[in-house]
Amino acid sequence: SQQGEEDPQALSIQEGENATMNCSYKTSINNLQWYRQNSGRGLVHLILIRSNEREKHSGRLRVTLDTSKKSSSLLITASRAADTASYFCATVPDSNYQLIWGAGTKLIIKP
Amino acid sequence: KAGVTQTPRYLIKTRGQQVTLSCSPISGHRSVSWYQQTPGQGLQFLFEYFSETQRNKGNFPGRFSGRQFSNSRSEMNVSTLELGDSALYLCASSLATGEKLFFGSGTQLSVL
Repeated sequence: SQQGEEDPQALSIQEGENATMNCSYKTSINNLQWYRQNSGRGLVHLILIRSNEREKHSGRLRVTLDTSKKSSSLLITASRAADTASYFCATVPDSNYQLIWGAGTKLIIKP
Repeated sequence: KAGVTQTPRYLIKTRGQQVTLSCSPISGHRSVSWYQQTPGQGLQFLFEYFSETQRNKGNFPGRFSGRQFSNSRSEMNVSTLELGDSALYLCASSLATGEKLFFGSGTQLSVL
């Protein structure tokens, strides 16, 4: 079953704006990961945040994790056309360390 | 360091046939996972191999099988293909289960 659920399913914004995607999950986790997928290609790892961390940054990406609410958010600042892609969160449960994937958020950046 | 390599990139088969997909992980990675991705079902976990042993298996019928060799290269096989098996099959490698995955470009399988 899919534990990670991304919200929204689709997001369309103007270039230069910030994009925020959310991920909710159900069980206790070891870590949570965000990936990007351009159409028809393999996924690219963006950030891994562990259960004892609250925030991580990588370039224009900022990920937060709230274990009390079982949720995470991915913020992309100053969006660019090249950010157009699908974004997936994957949670790694404490119980078996097997990644569980959400359905993804499709992000479209309009020039 | 070379990335994850999947072959072939595209494949067209007919119902009832079988297919074998190949994946070469990043050097030093002992964990290889396989996923099926379709527009309707999203990313579905098939199985994970670690040091030639199947460590985890997803909810797929027995027609889907895999193996891993001593050099960590992995293959997955689908027998008696059905139309619903048309999908993008992704392979990913990592240093350990539950850690950062490195994906290949995938094999796009079309079953006619």
